[in-house]
Parts: sequence; structure tokens; C-alpha cells
Amino acid sequence: EDQVTQSPEALRLQEGESSSLNCSYTVSGLRGLFWYRQDPGKGPEFLFTLYSAGEEKEKERLKATLTKKESFLHITAPKPEDSATYLCAVLDSGYALNFGKGTSLLVTP
Amino acid sequence: EAQVTQNPRYLITVTGKKLTVTCSQNMNHEYMSWYRQDPGLGLRQIYYSMNVEVTDKGDVPEGYKVSRKEKRNFPLILESPSPNQTSLYFCASSLRQSYGYTFGSGTRLTVV
Repeated sequence: EDQVTQSPEALRLQEGESSSLNCSYTVSGLRGLFWYRQDPGKGPEFLFTLYSAGEEKEKERLKATLTKKESFLHITAPKPEDSATYLCAVLDSGYALNFGKGTSLLVTP
Repeated sequence: EAQVTQNPRYLITVTGKKLTVTCSQNMNHEYMSWYRQDPGLGLRQIYYSMNVEVTDKGDVPEGYKVSRKEKRNFPLILESPSPNQTSLYFCASSLRQSYGYTFGSGTRLTVV
């Protein structure tokens, strides 16, 4: 059973059209929830770490939030250069960092 | 520049021919890890290392070996590669396991 589920699998937005990506998780003893951005053929690039429910972090047009069951990555007024796959990962009470399958975001001009 | 360096970037090999993918980081990170990425399966952890001489299995360790003799290096060894090990491989490092990881650029391996 997947511990980390991301939705939607793919999302197409017009430039400037804000939206949110979802990451739901079922691990117990959450030690951290991570968001990464991955461009085609490249390694994931670290964006945020969230450690406890209620925590929020921002970077440019991106804002990540965390509850006890899920995290959201809000994208405000996206630009075409925000097109990428966004990956969520959770670190549980063991030593495993479990990744979701990602949301592929396409922002069109 | 702080980075994780993997070599080679691309590799085509034949079944059964031993190979090593190197990984080196220049950030004095304690934690290092190997992942493979396959379409529809996402990133799956192969092995990880909490520090020098400390390694442990991830989710998909079968057919792979690792070693951590120095803090900066964490090579991935395929002693007898098989076609089902064709994949995109990433090495990652972090100061602590609960911190964000820095990933390498990836190694695309094809086993024929």
C-alpha cells in the first residue's frame, strides 16, 4: 500500500492561473515531509522541508503547507518556467524516505 | 560549488558484466543514498549510508552492493547486471537524514 499519494498525476495551467498540488501520506511518526522539483533528465531539486502540522514555507511563487494527513504545494500566478514534475517525500520513524510518484505540471503562456 | 557528482552519466553494458557507478559529494554530508527511478514506479531507495562504514538496505537492494570507506564517496556496484536493472539512478546526500537532500545529475543505465 502506497504511503505517499500525490494528486493530480498531471496538471495543465494557463500562465497566471493559481492552483494546488496535493500529497497525502499514511506514515506514522512523521519526521519530515519534503517537496522537490524535477526537470526532465535531471536530478530532483530540493524545495522545502516541513516537520509539523501547521507549518508553512514559501519560496517565490510556491507555498507549502502541512496537516496531519496531507501537504499542499500552492502555486500562485505560475509562469512557464514553473513547468516540471513536483515530488513529495515523507520520512517516517524508521530510516526510509518514501517518494510519491509526482505531479507533472505544465504551464502554458 | 556544492554538488553531488555521479559518473558515468550514460552507460550501456551487457548482462553479467560487473560495473560500478561512482558518487562523490563535496559538502561533508554524513548521509548518502542511492535511488532508482522507473516510469510509473517513481523513486525507490536501493541503499543508504548514515556515515562511514555504516550502510543499510533500502526498498530494492537485490542485485546491488555499496560501500562507504570515505565520507565523500558512495559507489554503487552491480556485480552481475541484468536487463531489469535498466533504469535511471540517482545518488543523494544530506547533512542529516531529516534534512533536504542534494541529488546528483543521474546515471542512465541500459543492460542488454
